Amino acid sequence: SQQGEEDPQALSIQEGENATMNCSYKTSINNLQWYRQNSGRGLVHLILIRSNEREKHSGRLRVTLDTSKKSSSLLITASRAADTASYFCATDALPQGGSEKLVFGKGTKLTVNP
Amino acid sequence: GAVVSQHPSRVICKSGTSVKIECRSLDFQATTMFWYRQFPKQSLMLMATSNEGSKATYEQGVEKDKFLINHASLTLSTLTVTSAHPEDSSFYICSAWVWRESAYEQYFGPGTRLTVT
Repeated sequence: SQQGEEDPQALSIQEGENATMNCSYKTSINNLQWYRQNSGRGLVHLILIRSNEREKHSGRLRVTLDTSKKSSSLLITASRAADTASYFCATDALPQGGSEKLVFGKGTKLTVNP
Repeated sequence: GAVVSQHPSRVICKSGTSVKIECRSLDFQATTMFWYRQFPKQSLMLMATSNEGSKATYEQGVEKDKFLINHASLTLSTLTVTSAHPEDSSFYICSAWVWRESAYEQYFGPGTRLTVT
């Protein structure tokens, strides 16, 4: 079953602009992870944020987590054409990591126009 | 580190035949691997959890006898699609957990595109 819902489903921006994608989930989580998938390819792990963290940065990526609202956002700053891909959030719903499964959102398809 | 590979990357087979897909952790050991299926323009759906040395755990609605999973070693899990039908055509992706920075992160293979004719 789908846990997360990404918003928007599709986003088209110009190179250099910022892109913000949101994810909402339903149950309590241990961690939330964001992934990127280029068309027809596997998933690339971008960033993991734990339930006790509120914000995390990695290069041009900024992830926030609001557990009270059960939502997360992924911000890509100064976007590039190479950022064009689908972005998924995924949550694990058990208190201990390692063996439980991830549940994926539906994804946001980002297009960055040169 | 944390590289997961899959083989083959693409496979075309005829209806009624079986196809085996391999998932390997190249630079770490994985007692647990996961198999997902992704239809075009859709998200990933977990099919089963593969456990080294024991039986796989299948998600509701996934046929055990059709999707055979064998996790024979700490670096290899295989998914065999038996008696394949055109509706089994999909993108199959495996993954494994890696312990990083005091948390488990899940890393994915590049996927296998299966086309059943």
